Amino acid sequence: GAVVSQHPSWVICKSGTSVKIECRSLDFQATTMFWYRQFPKQSLMLMATSNEGSKATYEQGVEKDKFLINHASLTLSTLTVTSAHPEDSSFYICSARVGGGVRSPYTGELFFGEGSRLTVL
Amino acid sequence: GQNIDQPTEMTATEGAIVQINCTYQTSGFNGLFWYQQHAGEAPTFLSYNVLDGLEEKGRFSSFLSRSKGYSYLLLKELQMKDSASYLCAVRDQQAGTALIFGKGTTLSVSS
Repeated sequence: GAVVSQHPSWVICKSGTSVKIECRSLDFQATTMFWYRQFPKQSLMLMATSNEGSKATYEQGVEKDKFLINHASLTLSTLTVTSAHPEDSSFYICSARVGGGVRSPYTGELFFGEGSRLTVL
Repeated sequence: GQNIDQPTEMTATEGAIVQINCTYQTSGFNGLFWYQQHAGEAPTFLSYNVLDGLEEKGRFSSFLSRSKGYSYLLLKELQMKDSASYLCAVRDQQAGTALIFGKGTTLSVSS
């Protein structure tokens, strides 16, 4: 399957600092990437849709000024958690969808990065 | 909006068959996916249904009935390594190409 790489896997930061998480599609181009957040024993909650070359689309209740998303190229999207607080501690996962086409073996499923576990002290 | 329901927990024994059900309500159904997620790891793709019927892939099968808003994931010949969370997700045309996930079913397989 397609490979999505996420970095860092683990990050611990002090309250009030900012943390950047990178999401890369390694063997395909992704015009759209998705950022999810998952609290312990909860499901994945869609935070935002990241569009290459344009502004991200945020889900209701997600603060766009707090969770800055940049999708500067077809293979890289970044999520920056600004002025992090302990309640922002979570598992952040990015995903991307391989484009369609007659040669594509994929059915439109999302491929997920390894996830980034953020702990804010 | 979307609403996806699946049982919270299930238990089974090695070698058995287990069926995990998922019901959904969406305004613009455009495909249903099943993912497996082990604790602390990212989800991995299991199956995809967009038309009614059964899709079989090795020990795993997935069924869809669009008229009933219902799907199930069938796991055969259970192994200990199948202990994981199983996530039902739908793609809703109103949500673009993102997937909306249910809360997941935690399956525990015992010997």
